[in-house]
Amino acid sequence: DARVTQTPRHKVTEMGQEVTMRCQPILGHNTVFWYRQTMMQGLELLAYFRNRAPLDDSGMPKDRFSAEMPDATLATLKIQPSEPRDSAVYFCASGLVQGSPLHFGNGTRLTVT
Amino acid sequence: QKEVEQDPGPLSVPEGAIVSLNCTYSNSAFQYFMWYRQYSRKGPELLMYTYSSGNKEDGRFTAQVDKSSKYISLFIRDSQPSDSATYLCAMTKGLGSQGNLIFGKGTKLSVKP
Repeated sequence: DARVTQTPRHKVTEMGQEVTMRCQPILGHNTVFWYRQTMMQGLELLAYFRNRAPLDDSGMPKDRFSAEMPDATLATLKIQPSEPRDSAVYFCASGLVQGSPLHFGNGTRLTVT
Repeated sequence: QKEVEQDPGPLSVPEGAIVSLNCTYSNSAFQYFMWYRQYSRKGPELLMYTYSSGNKEDGRFTAQVDKSSKYISLFIRDSQPSDSATYLCAMTKGLGSQGNLIFGKGTKLSVKP
């Protein structure tokens, strides 16, 4: 059963530190999405890629967040410097084509103190 | 007005009850409708996927779409404690470059033995 794999599962860090989250999408999927989930806002789209090209990152605070896809098997989301308000669960999801059902990883639970 | 509205609950029912979960939406361009189930500390997993109006049944689950009312529902028959989770609706205008998934905030369901 193909799965989206995210690492690390949990991350606790101090304010100001750099955080890197990684995602391995399902092989053959050409769209990759990064979401952030909080109780207040639900799932928020941060950025997405199609065929490794970034299409939209308007949901990300550009001064501190960056998303890349160095190859088809790896997507990264970086926060530098991290702030307490970044504490949330970050999900990566992949799909066959844009608009098709997404397959989610189990998330990275980030706590910034 | 948000594009997709979903009552966050929580909804608590006894085992064996019929559960009805609903979402309303404002954009008549939405064509594809999905329901995701999210267990605690896990990523959302696809439960049902329908196109346009009508019903779709899968075991104890029935998804219903009423495009004239911009209203979608998920029914769970003979609910089980294992159905306790958060249920998120999602929808999109189309496949390919026509759109991305828009999610509701989720309804938390608890099925009591």
